[in-house]
Amino acid sequence: SQQGEEDPQALSIQEGENATMNCSYKTSINNLQWYRQNSGRGLVHLILIRSNEREKHSGRLRVTLDTSKKSSSLLITASRAADTASYFCAEGGNNRLAFGKGNQVVVIP
Amino acid sequence: DTEVTQTPKHLVMGMTNKKSLKCEQHMGHRAMYWYKQKAKKPPELMFVYSYEKLSINESVPSRFSPECPNSSLLNLHLHALQPEDSALYLCASSQETSQLAKNIQYFGAGTRLSVL
Repeated sequence: SQQGEEDPQALSIQEGENATMNCSYKTSINNLQWYRQNSGRGLVHLILIRSNEREKHSGRLRVTLDTSKKSSSLLITASRAADTASYFCAEGGNNRLAFGKGNQVVVIP
Repeated sequence: DTEVTQTPKHLVMGMTNKKSLKCEQHMGHRAMYWYKQKAKKPPELMFVYSYEKLSINESVPSRFSPECPNSSLLNLHLHALQPEDSALYLCASSQETSQLAKNIQYFGAGTRLSVL
């Protein structure tokens, strides 16, 4: 999971499998966002979940939010080689985003 | 058009050089951001401009100088950088900086900076 000072988590899966990654955050949030970054490129916004929501879906993505545990998870179903990327959660609020350490996902064709 | 354009894509500079990074968006966004990202690390916020005014400076050294000439453009002027400043510099924009859902950020592809 993304938190603290540890190295980013790495996940290697076969194409077609599901990928689940977790994120812990520290503050009281307005929303929690997930972004994807392909190697050496800019970040792309994937999904936003508000603090009063518990689950949200977008295509093959499913995000959950547990504000009591200050944690979120991102599930990518039926993964594809193109899903190979780093995935960051970001705490939204106070005029800025605070990014977690990230999860590196490799989908093997 | 949901594109944020950054130039140049790559930049190599010496420690005595002066250079500038440029960022442009035409989405009508009123908030723009500079981030620094080291390899295998998350982006670190450097500056936030809101309605063309600097609203956040995350204690960035003065050798980095941001400028927002208008609502579509954001520059980052570089002077007397150190080798440890080598990184990917990302620009982003959002509709505004409020705590509402409008702070979804759109990122450029970044400038890969190497300081020799």
